[in-house]
Amino acid sequence: DAKTTQPTSMDCAEGRAANLPCNHSTISGNEYVYWYRQIHSQGPQYIIHGLKNNETNEMASLIITEDRKSSTLILPHATLRDTAVYYCIVLNNAGNMLTFGGGTRLMVKP
Amino acid sequence: EPEVTQTPSHQVTQMGQEVILRCVPISNHLYFYWYRQILGQKVEFLVSFYNNEISEKSEIFDDQFSVERPDGSNFTLKIRSTKLEDSAMYFCASTLVGTGGYNEQFFGPGTRLTVL
Repeated sequence: DAKTTQPTSMDCAEGRAANLPCNHSTISGNEYVYWYRQIHSQGPQYIIHGLKNNETNEMASLIITEDRKSSTLILPHATLRDTAVYYCIVLNNAGNMLTFGGGTRLMVKP
Repeated sequence: EPEVTQTPSHQVTQMGQEVILRCVPISNHLYFYWYRQILGQKVEFLVSFYNNEISEKSEIFDDQFSVERPDGSNFTLKIRSTKLEDSAMYFCASTLVGTGGYNEQFFGPGTRLTVL
């Protein structure tokens, strides 16, 4: 599976959009981009995933660049409860196991 | 909303003892996983299980580890002879479909294992 690169940490003001970038420049055609988050030692929580098109659900939006080499997770109105470590994971079509990197520690501040 | 449950929430054991960590995956899910997270470190994949057999395992999952689905609901991880370095949070996860495009894994709250 392709390797991902994320900033170590980011801050965001409460109520503002949080934009979390991920670089996956070696992604191949059959690999999906998944986002999970982990709130302080709880189990990781699935957020969203996509292949080529932008995706939106009740939690977030995922914007994937046309060349698929990077993506951005958008939390439209961040709350204090969104403070967590966010993981960008690339998974191929036969993929089974999730490989977690260091992720981005997002701190939402009042 | 259905959820993955794990018991116990915290297990303390002596080095060399056997432990069994228990998980109840979401009822209609078919793929089951164990991950672990040593304090302050990354979440690491241990093993995946489908159709009553291991489908993938990592280098961490050596002969000291085993998994079992003893009945239609439980999924267990056994560590035969615990070592100090097995101290970690162990997460169980499950998903309905195990392929790349449909691999939304639902994680349990974890069992904190402390080996003394």
